[in-house]
Amino acid sequence: DQQVKQNSPSLSVQEGRISILNCDYTNSMFDYFLWYKKYPAEGPTFLISISSIKDKNEDGRFTVFLNKSAKHLSLHIVPSQPGDSAVYFCAAKSMDSNYQLIWGAGTKLIIKP
Amino acid sequence: DTGVSQNPRHKITKRGQNVTFRCDPISEHNRLYWYRQTLGQGPEFLTYFQNEAQLEKSRLLSDRFSAERPKGSFSTLEIQRTEQGDSAMYLCASSLSGVNQPQHFGDGTRLSIL
Repeated sequence: DQQVKQNSPSLSVQEGRISILNCDYTNSMFDYFLWYKKYPAEGPTFLISISSIKDKNEDGRFTVFLNKSAKHLSLHIVPSQPGDSAVYFCAAKSMDSNYQLIWGAGTKLIIKP
Repeated sequence: DTGVSQNPRHKITKRGQNVTFRCDPISEHNRLYWYRQTLGQGPEFLTYFQNEAQLEKSRLLSDRFSAERPKGSFSTLEIQRTEQGDSAMYLCASSLSGVNQPQHFGDGTRLSIL
């Protein structure tokens, strides 16, 4: 039972354009969502997060949108840069846990020059 | 700024041997987590420490797995009598206490069972 789903295994975007990564979840108890970026042979790096009381959080080129009614969140990267090429993971925390993150399977983002 | 440090980076061992991994969290973080990640999947939670207390263990953590954080600083994860299925990347993360604190990860230990 996958509670966090990233349905696109990979995404290819032209440099300078917007990258949109999507994540769907099923558990209505999730109250905190995070995006991580992972390069090969490195651990995941925290990018940005959003609490369920908000519908948008922005940090530089990264914006996360949360649609609670649709149980959907997305990460927008604009403008996309070659260094953004990586695997992006969506993770979620339930309100009945202070620590356990449930992760999606990741989306590989490729930025084309 | 010292991040989460994990050692060794790679471990190759024969089936049936015991292995131990070490994690040094970010110094001011009192929460520490262990995850396991296999190819094409997101990390799976294994266990969690608040200071030296191990507060939660996943059912993924069989009796062959044990984790410690004796002084509330570094942590070790030991796997006894390793099996082929234990081959994975073992990730450690740490965070501050409090609500909605992001977890920061080390680069992991890749375990290969021959």
